[in-house]
Amino acid sequence: ILNVEQSPQSLHVQEGDSTNFTCSFPSSNFYALHWYRWETAKSPEALFVMTLNGDEKKKGRISATLNTKEGYSYLYIKGSQPEDSATYLCAYLSRFNNDMRFGAGTRLTVKP
Amino acid sequence: DTGVSQDPRHKITKRGQNVTFRCDPISEHNRLYWYRQTLGQGPEFLTYFQNEAQLEKSRLLSDRFSAERPKGSFSTLEIQRTEQGDSAMYLCASSLRIRAGGHNEQFFGPGTRLTVL
Repeated sequence: ILNVEQSPQSLHVQEGDSTNFTCSFPSSNFYALHWYRWETAKSPEALFVMTLNGDEKKKGRISATLNTKEGYSYLYIKGSQPEDSATYLCAYLSRFNNDMRFGAGTRLTVKP
Repeated sequence: DTGVSQDPRHKITKRGQNVTFRCDPISEHNRLYWYRQTLGQGPEFLTYFQNEAQLEKSRLLSDRFSAERPKGSFSTLEIQRTEQGDSAMYLCASSLRIRAGGHNEQFFGPGTRLTVL
């Protein structure tokens, strides 16, 4: 994988459902992976910065895991609420570049 | 409100005109980033500054794009001779570098939406 890829592109769930989505990134020269949440008409908001293989981070009902050897990260939302509706972006930073490479995002819609 | 502001929020211009956008980062943040975001895509990195030094500019889209951060505080992004393909959201973000090589979480501004007619 040369680029950052996120799947699915969009997701519709019912309130109360738990859900997860994937970020795939180059496994070589890994330095850090960031997750952001971007609500419509607002600024992207940082959720997690992950650096170590096997990292698991949690903020409320949202958690993320990281596998740097195989180049993926999962974001989980437990008991989705309508206010979780947003685009979730991941961004990869390599050891040798100074730029953050973002995926196209997963657009989550939680229906009441 | 993340504390990062951008001005203007919207800009409509005619093809061939020059435009300049401003970003005011969180005051104690020493790193400032510019991104472009088009419909259906994630933010695309353009350039970044550490204090007043522009440390990465190879990803600027063409020589029509330039950025400055003259005093290490606010930054401007200029696009000369705009083209219709420049229409996009231009995002600014800032962060605090607290250790060598570290890239900490970025705080984004609301963006400037550019429309080139």
